[in-house]
Amino acid sequence: DSGVTQTPKHLITATGQRVTLRCSPRSGDLSVYWYQQSLDQGLQFLIQYYNGEERAKGNILERFSAQQFPDLHSELNLSSLELGDSALYFCASSLHPAAGTYNEQFFGPGTRLTVL
Amino acid sequence: DAKTTQPNSMESNEEEPVHLPCNHSTISGTDYIHWYRQLPSQGPEYVIHGLTSNVNNRMASLAIAEDRKSSTLILHRATLRDAAVYYCILGDYRDDKIIFGKGTRLHILP
Repeated sequence: DSGVTQTPKHLITATGQRVTLRCSPRSGDLSVYWYQQSLDQGLQFLIQYYNGEERAKGNILERFSAQQFPDLHSELNLSSLELGDSALYFCASSLHPAAGTYNEQFFGPGTRLTVL
Repeated sequence: DAKTTQPNSMESNEEEPVHLPCNHSTISGTDYIHWYRQLPSQGPEYVIHGLTSNVNNRMASLAIAEDRKSSTLILHRATLRDAAVYYCILGDYRDDKIIFGKGTRLHILP
């Protein structure tokens, strides 16, 4: 158990819909990361938040958005869903970004999204 | 981001050492070498990281070539539980995000 929790575990929805995935980081971790894993694209970095602020952006579609709340939990919002958005979405957390020190990431169990 | 090259898959026998190679010829001076693995139906988990010197921890050892253009993850005594996809990743220590490649799928034979 990494200490990172994600809800829900599974989500089935229809094209065009909007969903919200939730992540609670490990106690004390300030950074949250979102990744998408699909069969054809592998594991892709989407976005990182640190202490409520966006810190880095990866291959995140404009239909997707995220935020980190004052209690440090994070939500990933996916809208206008398409069949190709079906994937596993992982959240990870780490202590804090600090130049010159190493911060391993702890991954949650993932949310499996199926778009029909 | 600097790229890594790993074999698509490898096989090893249970209770034997496993050497997982990784080439990273375009590594820069500020790049760490990280290894993560992903067990079936789980999220990735950290294995080990290094900068220039060889590293050991309870899970594995990391051997880094003198020119840093390649590295090898060593599992000293593989168990069935070590069957996973192993990702070799380069990351600038100033940048926290992980850019995963395709990794090596390790099969352990009983």
